[in-house]
Amino acid sequence: SQTIHQWPATLVQPVGSPLSLECTVEGTSNPNLYWYRQAAGRGLQLLFYSVGIGQISSEVPQNLSASRPQDRQFILSSKKLLLSDSGFYLCAWSGIRVSLGANVLTFGAGSRLTVL
Amino acid sequence: SQKIEQNSEALNIQEGKTATLTCNYTNYSPAYLQWYRQDPGRGPVFLLLIRENEKEKRKERLKVTFDTTLKQSLFHITASQPADSATYLCALDSNDYKLSFGAGTTVTVRA
Repeated sequence: SQTIHQWPATLVQPVGSPLSLECTVEGTSNPNLYWYRQAAGRGLQLLFYSVGIGQISSEVPQNLSASRPQDRQFILSSKKLLLSDSGFYLCAWSGIRVSLGANVLTFGAGSRLTVL
Repeated sequence: SQKIEQNSEALNIQEGKTATLTCNYTNYSPAYLQWYRQDPGRGPVFLLLIRENEKEKRKERLKVTFDTTLKQSLFHITASQPADSATYLCALDSNDYKLSFGAGTTVTVRA
């Protein structure tokens, strides 16, 4: 069965420090990978998605970047964090579910980032 | 601009009653509409989806309707239980790899 791992679960970082969140998927190949951010009481905002190694699409201009160095690894990074980067970051993967004939997202447990 | 709106942020109901959640959208042409459940501090979990050419879908105590003319989906939880308390998110899939989510409706079921 497929599993998704995301870490760290929680981190507190000072403004201006770098960030690296990592996500890996097991049990599937060539998944579509996603990074979403959820601010307190708000919906999920799509930040990046990737349909293959080295292929990254950015949805929102910001000081964050994403990379996909391996098929099942997706990394979210920042060189200098801003206060507004605080939030709950969720990695997800999708693939066609044959029984449904549609892409369905499976999310990781999330990473809660607080920038002080 | 594109918009997905879910009715009231919070819904409080008594155990055994039916909870009805609304998802309205503008400037989308979704091929599918999906519903997810999110518990506090956790990632959303897929519940069910409905295609643009389907009117209604059921899964156990859950029922979803989809009206592409009204640009609206209704999500029903029948015979609600305290364990159904969570935030429910609707998401639109336009068949382009990306899902766009509403802000969610938090349901609290009182025993």
